[in-house]
Amino acid sequence: DSGVTQTPKHLITATGQRVTLRCSPRSGDLSVYWYQQSLDQGLQFLIQYYNGEERAKGNILERFSAQQFPDLHSELNLSSLELGDSALYFCASSLQGTGNEQFFGPGTRLTVL
Amino acid sequence: DQQVKQNSPSLSVQEGRISILNCDYTNSMFDYFLWYKKYPAEGPTFLISISSIKDKNEDGRFTVFLNKSAKHLSLHIVPSQPGDSAVYFCAAIMNNAGNMLTFGGGTRLMVKP
Repeated sequence: DSGVTQTPKHLITATGQRVTLRCSPRSGDLSVYWYQQSLDQGLQFLIQYYNGEERAKGNILERFSAQQFPDLHSELNLSSLELGDSALYFCASSLQGTGNEQFFGPGTRLTVL
Repeated sequence: DQQVKQNSPSLSVQEGRISILNCDYTNSMFDYFLWYKKYPAEGPTFLISISSIKDKNEDGRFTVFLNKSAKHLSLHIVPSQPGDSAVYFCAAIMNNAGNMLTFGGGTRLMVKP
């Protein structure tokens, strides 16, 4: 158990809908990362927050947005969902905004029908 | 453009023997390299890392070797155990580009009893 929690575990929704994925980092970790794992693209970095501020952005679509709240939990919002958004979404956390080891949550499996 | 590549999608090894997982990268600006292990329905788990200024790092049964001139790293597991059966991901970080992990596509290791 990495100490990172993600809810929900599974999510099934329809095209055009909007969903919110939630992540609670390990106790004391200030940085949160979101990754997407799809069959054809592998594990790809989406976005990083450090202590409430956006720190780095990867291949995140404009339809997707994220935020980190004062209690350090983070939410990833996915809107106007398309079939291709079906994937595993992982959250990871680390103590600082830099440094090497990131601890991953169990992921949220999103299925868009 | 895949900056980190794992060219072997799968590897099968007998219990007790050595497992060697390989990874190639194209970006010479990477500062750290990491190996993660992933079981089904779980998030990736950190295994071992190596700085770009070193050529070897060892932790128990796991050793990572880095050949900067060849832009190649490998993970050696000795002796291999059935519990090591999982998907192994190679990842890299550029410290001046945020703390995002750039992942390879993964290698599925099967250790046969």
